Amino acid sequence: NAGVTQTPKFQVLKTGQSMTLQCAQDMNHEYMSWYRQDPGMGLRLIHYSVGAGITDQGEVPNGYNVSRSTTEDFPLRLLLAAPSQTSVYFCASSQTSDSYEQYFGPGTRLTVT
Amino acid sequence: SQQGEEDPQALSIQEGENATMNCSYKTSINNLQWYRQNSGRGLVHLILIRSNEREKHSGRLRVTLDTSKKSSSLLITASRAADTASYFCATVSGQKVTFGIGTKLQVIP
Repeated sequence: NAGVTQTPKFQVLKTGQSMTLQCAQDMNHEYMSWYRQDPGMGLRLIHYSVGAGITDQGEVPNGYNVSRSTTEDFPLRLLLAAPSQTSVYFCASSQTSDSYEQYFGPGTRLTVT
Repeated sequence: SQQGEEDPQALSIQEGENATMNCSYKTSINNLQWYRQNSGRGLVHLILIRSNEREKHSGRLRVTLDTSKKSSSLLITASRAADTASYFCATVSGQKVTFGIGTKLQVIP
């Protein structure tokens, strides 16, 4: 199993551009989530999904969209990139949301200039 | 706002010593988990303790949970230089998993 994969590893965007961060898992996990990690602020939940076709907002959803058309994939879309979205983004999955451990991808380092 | 807050934010110890990190949270939880993050990498799950458990062990790790005080502690015994990393607690409440800001542990050889 590849586990949780994320692409790209690094990305530089200009303000106002849009892009999609890809996340895929091959463990048939129901629960997937996106976090951003900023210095001194830990990980903050952006969006999460408890299964295909179901998504919900986390703590910091503004400026981001998600969809979950398949169990395996959970892309994160930045609509109009802003410098405040410069961060490291992590995708995670788990078998269920209420007990099992989360498996993290390697992260995407995004810089918005 | 974040659910968990770790204390201390940074900790430096000598190899062989024990390291204790604390986590406080605000609302009721289903379970609490501890994760480790090496620099530049994703988080790795260490241990999970359910809300009806008080203590759990895994190798050199010992986790306690006090739901009346809404706090947890992670003890790493006989630390090694390879334990140098950031450690995060995560609380699970409903369908949300919320992380704290982490404790940066440095183990000096």
